[in-house]
Amino acid sequence: DQQVKQNSPSLSVQEGRISILNCDYTNSMFDYFLWYKKYPAEGPTFLISISSIKDKNEDGRFTVFLNKSAKHLSLHIVPSQPGDSAVYFCAASDGGSQGNLIFGKGTKLSVKP
Amino acid sequence: DAMVIQNPRYQVTQFGKPVTLSCSQTLNHNVMYWYQQKSSQAPKLLFHYYDKDFNNEADTPDNFQSRRPNTSFCFLDIRSPGLGDAAMYLCATSRAGLTKQFFGPGTRLTVL
Repeated sequence: DQQVKQNSPSLSVQEGRISILNCDYTNSMFDYFLWYKKYPAEGPTFLISISSIKDKNEDGRFTVFLNKSAKHLSLHIVPSQPGDSAVYFCAASDGGSQGNLIFGKGTKLSVKP
Repeated sequence: DAMVIQNPRYQVTQFGKPVTLSCSQTLNHNVMYWYQQKSSQAPKLLFHYYDKDFNNEADTPDNFQSRRPNTSFCFLDIRSPGLGDAAMYLCATSRAGLTKQFFGPGTRLTVL
């Protein structure tokens, strides 16, 4: 059973507009969440993260929001650029010493010029 | 630049013929992970090493083994590949106590 769910396999956005990628989780023990970005033929690269003690973390054009009561997080990209076109993975950790991550299936973002 | 390197990038093997995938890192991280990712699926953790301690996920088939001869290198051995083992294999590293993992580019395995 999936503990981390990304229900939208794909998203298409116009350049300059906002992209919103969503992620839901079921395990209330998760206390740290990460977003990874993956281009074709490359490995995932870390984008941004958030601890469960926060509800928002911002890094330039990227903002992650966490709603613990809803077990939901979202990644906002503003403004979206064609170079943002990639697969975005949501990942969660229960904070164990081993740092294991549980990934969602990913959302493919296409930003059209 | 510090990085995670995987070789080869593409590997073709025959059904039942053993294959070894390689991962090396220059980050000096003490935790190394192997993930399997099938098309349109989430990366699935197979096992990881915390220093020399091997940690196998409960649902990882016995067909998959791993070796870590030193801090920098980690190998994934598939003893008898089946058609269902065709996938992207991702290696990742992290520093103990930190959740953020650094990934290599992956090895795409094809089983004929």
